[in-house]
Amino acid sequence: ILNVEQSPQSLHVQEGDSTNFTCSFPSSNFYALHWYRWETAKSPEALFVMTLNGDEKKKGRISATLNTKEGYSYLYIKGSQPEDSATYLCAYTTINDYKLSFGAGTTVTVRA
Amino acid sequence: DAGVTQSPTHLIKTRGQQVTLRCSPKSGHDTVSWYQQALGQGPQFIFQYYEEEERQRGNFPDRFSGHQFPNYSSELNVNALLLGDSALYLCASSWGTFLNTEAFFGQGTRLTVV
Repeated sequence: ILNVEQSPQSLHVQEGDSTNFTCSFPSSNFYALHWYRWETAKSPEALFVMTLNGDEKKKGRISATLNTKEGYSYLYIKGSQPEDSATYLCAYTTINDYKLSFGAGTTVTVRA
Repeated sequence: DAGVTQSPTHLIKTRGQQVTLRCSPKSGHDTVSWYQQALGQGPQFIFQYYEEEERQRGNFPDRFSGHQFPNYSSELNVNALLLGDSALYLCASSWGTFLNTEAFFGQGTRLTVV
């Protein structure tokens, strides 16, 4: 994989259901993987920064895992709530970089 | 803490004009990066400033230039505007590099070129 890819592009979830989505990235020269939540009319907000293969991080009902050898990360939302509706962006950076390379995001809509 | 602030929030310019966007980083942060987000895409890296110098640049033409001031605030300048420059411009700040620390983003400046 040459760039960051996120799938699916969008998903609709019933309130109370759990969901997950994927971020794929180039595995060579990996240094860190970032997840951001971006609500409409607000700033992107950092959720997690992960650097180690096998990293698992959790913040409330949201958690993330990282596999640097195969180049993917999963974001999980447990018991989705309407306030979880947002676009979730992942971005990676390499050991040679000062920039974040972003995916196009997964837009989550939670229906009450 | 005011976080990252950007100004203006919206502006409309005509093709060929020049524009300046401004960013004040989060208190304590010394590094500012600029990103462009076109419709349907993820943010694309324009450049990063640290210690008043451009440290890295993305694939953007020379029409895009920037500056960082001693107080760490930053400006993004775009000359000879094209219709394709219409986008949301995001500023992100951090302490040091982004490599293993989170970036803090502003709400962005929505630029429309007509």
